[in-house]
Amino acid sequence: DVKVTQSSRYLVKRTGEKVFLECVQDMDHENMFWYRQDPGLGLRLIYFSYDVKMKEKGDIPEGYSVSREKKERFSLILESASTNQTSMYLCASATYSGIATQYFGPGTRLLVL
Amino acid sequence: SQQGEEDPQALSIQEGENATMNCSYKTSINNLQWYRQNSGRGLVHLILIRSNEREKHSGRLRVTLDTSKKSSSLLITASRAADTASYFCATDTGAQKLVFGQGTRLTINP
Repeated sequence: DVKVTQSSRYLVKRTGEKVFLECVQDMDHENMFWYRQDPGLGLRLIYFSYDVKMKEKGDIPEGYSVSREKKERFSLILESASTNQTSMYLCASATYSGIATQYFGPGTRLLVL
Repeated sequence: SQQGEEDPQALSIQEGENATMNCSYKTSINNLQWYRQNSGRGLVHLILIRSNEREKHSGRLRVTLDTSKKSSSLLITASRAADTASYFCATDTGAQKLVFGQGTRLTINP
C-alpha cells in the first residue's frame, strides 16, 4: 500500500514564524502536491512537483514556498506565517502516468495565532 | 480554479437508503475520479471513470459520466453508518494534476 506521511497532525504557530510542513511518500512517485483545505472552498492547490528540484505554482502559491531535494520528500514552507494561513494542509503523491490518481497523507491542521 | 461543482453540498439519509451525489465540470477531461474524506483525515481514492466510459461499478458504488453534459454522479447503495464522510469529485485534464470540487457532506443516520 502507498503510504504518505506528514510530519505533524496538529501545529500551533505564532504570526511571523517560519513554518515547515514535511511530507514523505514511500512508493517512488514522481509527482507530489500540497493543498490547503478550508470550509466551503474545497481543496486548493498550492504547489506541485514533477521531479526532484522541480516545482510548479498551483492556484494559490502566495505566501508559500516548497522544496524537493529528494524524490520521496516534499516540504511546504510558510516564510512568515499569518493568521489567514490557518488551515488544513494536505499532501499527496502520484505516479507519472496517464492516470493521475493521488494518494493523500492524513493532513496537518495548522493554527496561526 | 475550481472546475468541479458538487451538488448537493450536504445530504442526510437513513441507513439502508441510497445516496446520490452529482458533479459538474467545465472543460474536457481524460478521466473523473471520486474521493472520500473522513472527518479530519486525508482523502482516499474510491473510483475512476475514463472519458470514454459511461458507467462503472465498484462494490456498492456506481459512477456515471455524461461528457456531453459535463457531469457525473456517484451512487452509494444500501448506505451504512461508516459511509458518513465528505465526497469529492476530481477532474483530470491531462496535466498530471487534479482539480477538486468543493465536496458533498454525507451523513448516514442510524
